Amino acid sequence: GNSVTQMEGPVTLSEEAFLTINCTYTATGYPSLFWYVQYPGEGLQLLLKATKADDKGSNKGFEATYRKETTSFHLEKGSVQVSDSAVYFCALSDRTGGTSYGKLTFGQGTILTVHP
Amino acid sequence: ETGVTQTPRHLVMGMTNKKSLKCEQHLGHNAMYWYKQSAKKPLELMFVYSLEERVENNSVPSRFSPECPNSSHLFLHLHTLQPEDSALYLCASSLTDRVNYGYTFGSGTRLTVV
Repeated sequence: GNSVTQMEGPVTLSEEAFLTINCTYTATGYPSLFWYVQYPGEGLQLLLKATKADDKGSNKGFEATYRKETTSFHLEKGSVQVSDSAVYFCALSDRTGGTSYGKLTFGQGTILTVHP
Repeated sequence: ETGVTQTPRHLVMGMTNKKSLKCEQHLGHNAMYWYKQSAKKPLELMFVYSLEERVENNSVPSRFSPECPNSSHLFLHLHTLQPEDSALYLCASSLTDRVNYGYTFGSGTRLTVV
């Protein structure tokens, strides 16, 4: 079956540091890939996505590139801010298994804390 | 505001109470989901409704009972809960023919069972 593996957290950085959160996946089909962010006390929000190999998703200074050859979708940001402190989830969606809907498979989440 | 509204935001209930969580979306989506998020555990998919039909029930105890009266509304009826059921319950919705769009989540209901 499909699976998503994220780097273990928590990740603690100083403001303006470079961020990488690793994500690798296993899928039998051609999935779409997503990063969701969850701020304290809130639900998950879509941060960015990529739907085919070599696509780059970007939003709010965050970027991730769909790498089919390494089955990866690592999240990066050049200069983090305190307001980026949140939990980040990598996910994939496809329709394998004959589902009538796009089944979203999540990683375990990575907690990011950014200090001033 | 994400387009998916969950009420109440916080709920405290005793183990013998009966309560319901409500989820509403007016995004034109036709699939809806309940997730459980506990501290230090991965997101757990509980139920899936696709085109108003329950298509997935991931070994959830019978004290949780979902209801989807139409494609815009989803309920989770709770009765005789246990303290370990305390968690954040998240509702999400999606379009069945738009795998690439992902899901839209609500802000969740923080449930505490005492």
